[in-house]
Amino acid sequence: GNSVTQMEGPVTLSEEAFLTINCTYTATGYPSLFWYVQYPGEGLQLLLKATKADDKGSNKGFEATYRKETTSFHLEKGSVQVSDSAVYFCALSGDFGNEKLTFGTGTRLTIIP
Amino acid sequence: EAGVAQSPRYKIIEKRQSVAFWCNPISGHATLYWYQQILGQGPKLLIQFQNNGVVDDSQLPKDRFSAERLKGVDSTLKIQPAKLEDSAVYLCASRIGQGAFDTIYFGEGSWLTVV
Repeated sequence: GNSVTQMEGPVTLSEEAFLTINCTYTATGYPSLFWYVQYPGEGLQLLLKATKADDKGSNKGFEATYRKETTSFHLEKGSVQVSDSAVYFCALSGDFGNEKLTFGTGTRLTIIP
Repeated sequence: EAGVAQSPRYKIIEKRQSVAFWCNPISGHATLYWYQQILGQGPKLLIQFQNNGVVDDSQLPKDRFSAERLKGVDSTLKIQPAKLEDSAVYLCASRIGQGAFDTIYFGEGSWLTVV
């Protein structure tokens, strides 16, 4: 079945540091890939998505590129801010007939001033 | 556009008691999901509805969990009797169709503590 493996946390960085959170997946066919973010006490929010190989999703300074050859969708940001502190989830949605979201375990990110 | 609404936000119950959670999806969204998120883990799908029919309930513990979506709009998730391991956040989500490209929108969740 489909699965997502995420970089173990927690991750602590200083403000303005470069961020990478690794995500790899296992799926048949052509899944869509997502990053969701969960701020303290809030629900999941879609951060960005990519629906086919080599697509780059981007939002709020975050980027991730759908790499089919390495089955990866790593999240990056060039300069993090304190307000980026949250839990980040990588997820995939399978092909037609299997569109439910399968999540990774989440990575807690803390940015210190 | 209003988001996915859930209630109650927080609930504390004793084991063996029952609890029900309500969800109102985004207007016009045909697909509705219930996910369980245990602390420190990623959300796990419990059940998926397409309109008022069940598409996937393979991971729903049917001896204690039940869910319905009457008239293809609102949905309720019930747990009876609750166990300690049911302590989690219950997330409702909706999607306009079934297409893999469509975004799934989540509510803020219902936080359950079983003591």
